[in-house]
Amino acid sequence: AQSVTQLDSQVPVFEEAPVELRCNYSSSVSVYLFWYVQYPNQGLQLLLKYLSGSTLVKGINGFEAEFNKSQTSFHLRKPSVHISDTAEYFCAVSGRETSGSRLTFGEGTQLTVNP
Amino acid sequence: GAVVSQHPSRVICKSGTSVKIECRSLDFQATTMFWYRQFPKQSLMLMATSNEGSKATYEQGVEKDKFLINHASLTLSTLTVTSAHPEDSSFYICSARHLTEAFFGQGTRLTVV
Repeated sequence: AQSVTQLDSQVPVFEEAPVELRCNYSSSVSVYLFWYVQYPNQGLQLLLKYLSGSTLVKGINGFEAEFNKSQTSFHLRKPSVHISDTAEYFCAVSGRETSGSRLTFGEGTQLTVNP
Repeated sequence: GAVVSQHPSRVICKSGTSVKIECRSLDFQATTMFWYRQFPKQSLMLMATSNEGSKATYEQGVEKDKFLINHASLTLSTLTVTSAHPEDSSFYICSARHLTEAFFGQGTRLTVV
């Protein structure tokens, strides 16, 4: 079984400032890691994913995340945010064992970018 | 990327009636689909795993007779909320896995009045 902890429920920042959304996970098996973004009344859109290889993963909209196995973390970063980045962000994990493996989500982080 | 289409996006129904929500994988086959429920300002709660050609697997605490799931083909899963009550009002989201990635429908906002 896996679990995900997003350490901040809300993160307010000013436009053009850098941001980091924190995510820690626990698992007894090897995992895949994901970050999703959700805009109001919409489904989830994949920002980026870590499957294997380089621990620094680049995604859409200028986001990146770094997988740290020793700290079991997968923090999401963006060097300069825009108003349009205001949304709910979810970190998720799934086991590698089967392609049908379910996702376990964190509680979400509301990112609010202020002018 | 792969596309998952969910319909309807919004539905309002009267208490006691049933509502069907459809989830389709448009350009890939999905032997497994997932149904989630999301309350305001909260994360997604997995309700059930839908398996093509077999019975769905429900999470603990989810009433299988209330939330009927049918996965009749490799591209379609349906969730029927039976005898809906106001407390069933929520945002429902489906998902289908394709290779290593999960793709999500747009969600359905159900309001029971």
